[in-house]
Amino acid sequence: QKEVEQNSGPLSVPEGAIASLNCTYSDRVSQSFFWYRQYSGKSPELIMSIYSNGDKEDGRFTAQLNKASQYVSLLIRDSQPSDSATYLCAVETGDDYKLSFGAGTTVTVRA
Amino acid sequence: NAGVTQTPKFQVLKTGQSMTLQCAQDMNHNSMYWYRQDPGMGLRLIYYSASEGTTDKGEVPNGYNVSRLNKREFSLRLESAAPSQTSVYFCASFGTENYGYTFGSGTRLTVV
Repeated sequence: QKEVEQNSGPLSVPEGAIASLNCTYSDRVSQSFFWYRQYSGKSPELIMSIYSNGDKEDGRFTAQLNKASQYVSLLIRDSQPSDSATYLCAVETGDDYKLSFGAGTTVTVRA
Repeated sequence: NAGVTQTPKFQVLKTGQSMTLQCAQDMNHNSMYWYRQDPGMGLRLIYYSASEGTTDKGEVPNGYNVSRLNKREFSLRLESAAPSQTSVYFCASFGTENYGYTFGSGTRLTVV
């Protein structure tokens, strides 16, 4: 079993809709969770981090964490064509700030 | 501009050739990492360096070596390239200012 699993894509949503991305992880002791956005041919960029159970909002993005269920999600509200990208879930594993990444979910926002 | 610089951006090697991928950061970060990204597999950690003078293996270290030359620079070496090493390689550094990784622009490597 992979350490970090993401819902398979691609995910296609109309402009203005909510895109919902899910991620589960296997290491029960993980404490830090991240969402990265990666445009085609580019490097990943950090968009959200979350450490405590519950919701964290940043603009149109909301991250949700449930440590008991080992589940983290990302909601993109009012989706825009510029949100079309691959979203990577990352979980801190062990020491030294190492991250394990999911395979990514590709989101396409239809105008 | 502050960030992580990787060279080269593209490289084609023949099987058995060697090469070194260069990475430098100017953010005074202690921790640096090398990942490879393959379709459907996400980013996998090859090697990392928690501080100057230390290096450790990640998930997929076979066929690679690294050198942490100083606090700024962390290089990845392929001694005898194999087609299975065809991938996109990313260098990253970790900073406490945003508690996240800053990635370089990547090196697209093809081994034929």
